[in-house]
Amino acid sequence: EAGVVQSPRYKIIEKKQPVAFWCNPISGHNTLYWYLQNLGQGPELLIRYENEEAVDDSQLPKDRFSAERLKGVDSTLKIQPAELGDSAVYLCASSSQGSAEAFFGQGTRLTVV
Amino acid sequence: GENVEQHPSTLSVQEGDSAVIKCTYSDSASNYFPWYKQELGKRPQLIIDIRSNVGEKKDQRIAVTLNKTAKHFSLHITETQPEDSAVYFCAASMGGSNYKLTFGKGTLLTVNP
Repeated sequence: EAGVVQSPRYKIIEKKQPVAFWCNPISGHNTLYWYLQNLGQGPELLIRYENEEAVDDSQLPKDRFSAERLKGVDSTLKIQPAELGDSAVYLCASSSQGSAEAFFGQGTRLTVV
Repeated sequence: GENVEQHPSTLSVQEGDSAVIKCTYSDSASNYFPWYKQELGKRPQLIIDIRSNVGEKKDQRIAVTLNKTAKHFSLHITETQPEDSAVYFCAASMGGSNYKLTFGKGTLLTVNP
């Protein structure tokens, strides 16, 4: 069974440019999470989806970040415009309905220059 | 919201020794406590978890203990091996409709051969 798949693995962009990350969760997992991981820190939740509904986006900086999960499967996370402080690893995770056990993808390492 | 404190931030042991990492949480409603291992540049991987109705859980060389009254839980690794070297994260989550994982800041474990 394939795990959580994210792309790209690495992205370097100039500040003020837009960037998007893609996540394909484990097949059948209803819950999808986007986490932000700064260097030397634990992951921090940005947004959580139950199917196509964003049920917790309280930590998402909505002035520049947006996310979607239109068909309740794949998800994209977008930053527009990117700032230097957005440099981090963006992790996607998924879990099956009713389970707290989350499985993580490899992450996208974003560098904003 | 939930706050998870993790100690120590770094831990160095000799191969064959035991390692203990401790975490405390703030929200008494939390009832799920996973531990993740993250090797450099790789995804966090769940290694063991415990729920609040259990005081201890073992899986070969690793064990987790939970003290609900004191709101702390610990990871114990016995007979450490060089391949145990990684960053370990504890996390806490409430059940029900809120499976948001709140992570500690991580412990860098180095096992010296």
